[in-house]
Amino acid sequence: AQKITQTQPGMFVQEKEAVTLDCTYDTSDQSYGLFWYKQPSSGEMIFLIYQGSYDEQNATEGRYSLNFQKARKSANLVISASQLGDSAMYFCAMRLPGGTSYGKLTFGQGTILTVHP
Amino acid sequence: NAGVTQTPKFRVLKTGQSMTLLCAQDMNHEYMYWYRQDPGMGLRLIHYSVGEGTTAKGEVPDGYNVSRLKKQNFLLGLESAAPSQTSVYFCASTRSGRQFNSPLHFGNGTRLTVT
Repeated sequence: AQKITQTQPGMFVQEKEAVTLDCTYDTSDQSYGLFWYKQPSSGEMIFLIYQGSYDEQNATEGRYSLNFQKARKSANLVISASQLGDSAMYFCAMRLPGGTSYGKLTFGQGTILTVHP
Repeated sequence: NAGVTQTPKFRVLKTGQSMTLLCAQDMNHEYMYWYRQDPGMGLRLIHYSVGEGTTAKGEVPDGYNVSRLKKQNFLLGLESAAPSQTSVYFCASTRSGRQFNSPLHFGNGTRLTVT
């Protein structure tokens, strides 16, 4: 079975600095998708960025980028130029191929990021 | 743009009571999911549906039932609530379960407390 591990329960960063949130995954499948979601204190789940296992380049979306290292099975989220509004819980998630996966996401435990002014 | 709407937002139940959580999406998505979120455990899948009239068990289905009578609605039922079901419940939907890059769209969650 697939598994997602986020080893950092909490992270702190100074405003305007960059921060990396770690995510490692375990699967025997060669095809998969990796997602990051943000959950602010208000509770909603916001989709941030996606990386496919066969994508040759690391995904980027504005200040978010994904440091994808397939051989190490890691998909770390990098937030550049942190803002106070980035303070939130961040979840890494994985989707396996169609068929019996049916689009289901498996989530990690989450990392709470606090941005200091 | 309503997206995915969950009702109610908050609920307190006594042990043994029953309730139904309603999820409605207006994006014509085929696939819908119910997750629960507990501290330190991320989100865990309870049940899911790949289309109207179909449902299937997820990772933690015990104590819950679901129904998908209409494509846009996915109901989660607790027949006899237990304190272990105190959690935040999220409904989600996606256009395609077979397309890797199709993200899940989430509702705003329902905070349920069972005393």
